[in-house]
Amino acid sequence: EAGVTQSPRYAVLQEGQAVSFWCDPISGHDTLYWYQQPRDQGPQLLVYFRDEAVIDNSQLPSDRFSAVRPKGTNSTLKIQSAKQGDTATYLCASSTTGGVETLYFGSGTRLTVL
Amino acid sequence: GQQVQQSPASLVLQEGENAELQCNFSTSLNSMQWFYQRPGGSLVSLFYNPSGTKHSGRLTSTTVIKERRSSLHISSSQTTDSGTYLCAFLNYGSSGNKLIFGIGTLLSVKP
Repeated sequence: EAGVTQSPRYAVLQEGQAVSFWCDPISGHDTLYWYQQPRDQGPQLLVYFRDEAVIDNSQLPSDRFSAVRPKGTNSTLKIQSAKQGDTATYLCASSTTGGVETLYFGSGTRLTVL
Repeated sequence: GQQVQQSPASLVLQEGENAELQCNFSTSLNSMQWFYQRPGGSLVSLFYNPSGTKHSGRLTSTTVIKERRSSLHISSSQTTDSGTYLCAFLNYGSSGNKLIFGIGTLLSVKP
């Protein structure tokens, strides 16, 4: 069984540039999460979906961050006008409904904003 | 404030030594998990342990719900155990269930 796939693996930007991260969850997993993990910190939830619906995006900086999952499968997280404070690893995870105890993470995208 | 406190922040062991990692929660605990993260790698769930003691190979997790704490014991450490160990609790909210993570314990096992 394929795991959670993320791309790109790394991204380096200048402040003000935009970037998109892509996530392909495990087949059959209806719940998809995006986490932000700054260096030397634990992952912090940004947004999560059940199928194509956003369940919780309360921690997503809505003025610059956006996330979609249009068909309830793959998802894209986009940062408009990146800031140095956005430097972090962005992790995608998936699970089945109610199965947060069996959460599977991708390898993440490491973003550096110069 | 920090809802999940992990200690120690970092730990260096010689191969073969044991390790005890601690996790304390500031809120009522419904369930919690331990994760392992290799440098630059993804997180892997080690234990889903809402209460009591669970074993997996050289790893043992013990959660005491009423005391809002959990521990992870690693016996006979190996160099391949090096990495970051994260604990997280499950927060049940009106907007859904989500994991709240600690900062982690960075473990380095020397040969």
